[in-house]
Amino acid sequence: EAQVTQNPRYLITVTGKKLTVTCSQNMNHEYMSWYRQDPGLGLRQIYYSMNVEVTDKGDVPEGYKVSRKEKRNFPLILESPSPNQTSLYFCASSLSRSRTRKETQYFGPGTRLLVL
Amino acid sequence: AQKITQTQPGMFVQEKEAVTLDCTYDTSDQSYGLFWYKQPSSGEMIFLIYQGSYDEQNATEGRYSLNFQKARKSANLVISASQLGDSAMYFCAMREVNTGNQFYFGTGTSLTVIP
Repeated sequence: EAQVTQNPRYLITVTGKKLTVTCSQNMNHEYMSWYRQDPGLGLRQIYYSMNVEVTDKGDVPEGYKVSRKEKRNFPLILESPSPNQTSLYFCASSLSRSRTRKETQYFGPGTRLLVL
Repeated sequence: AQKITQTQPGMFVQEKEAVTLDCTYDTSDQSYGLFWYKQPSSGEMIFLIYQGSYDEQNATEGRYSLNFQKARKSANLVISASQLGDSAMYFCAMREVNTGNQFYFGTGTSLTVIP
């Protein structure tokens, strides 16, 4: 089954304790991305990656790191989480360039993060 | 400036009626894609419909159609024959192909279908 998986689905942590949210896709997609969703703000892109070893900042990259060492994995790292990073996080993947319906992103189930 | 603007925070529609959710976008890229996603209360993001900037015909997917007006930079979603299961949050999004490949989302419209 084609899917994007995220772990953990729910996480409660404390300020300053490093954490990693994993993301993996089995569709051989070049493009992967992380978003955060906050009430009234919609989804905002944190980082995206066009392919292995290629990453770019989105609109809200501060406080986050990513890496793309393998095509299927795109972990999101919070080195020193703060309460303002409490949010719902989505990982997504898609083909890199296409003029067809296949451009759509496939989303993971989301990770709810609470930073105390 | 906002790349995607959804001006309707909340909408109500009677069951079996049609409803239009508004979306306007801002880009200088000639090549871009427009998307609509549905997010039910369970939280997952569900792809509904896609329109490419070079597509001359409006996209349709079952009960969903996209009213694409390129000159006005609008990409409204039309849901026909609304069902109770259509109650959800709806997001409009855009991907600029030639200027960085970022995805931009609107703030969403919460649709409630009334029996």
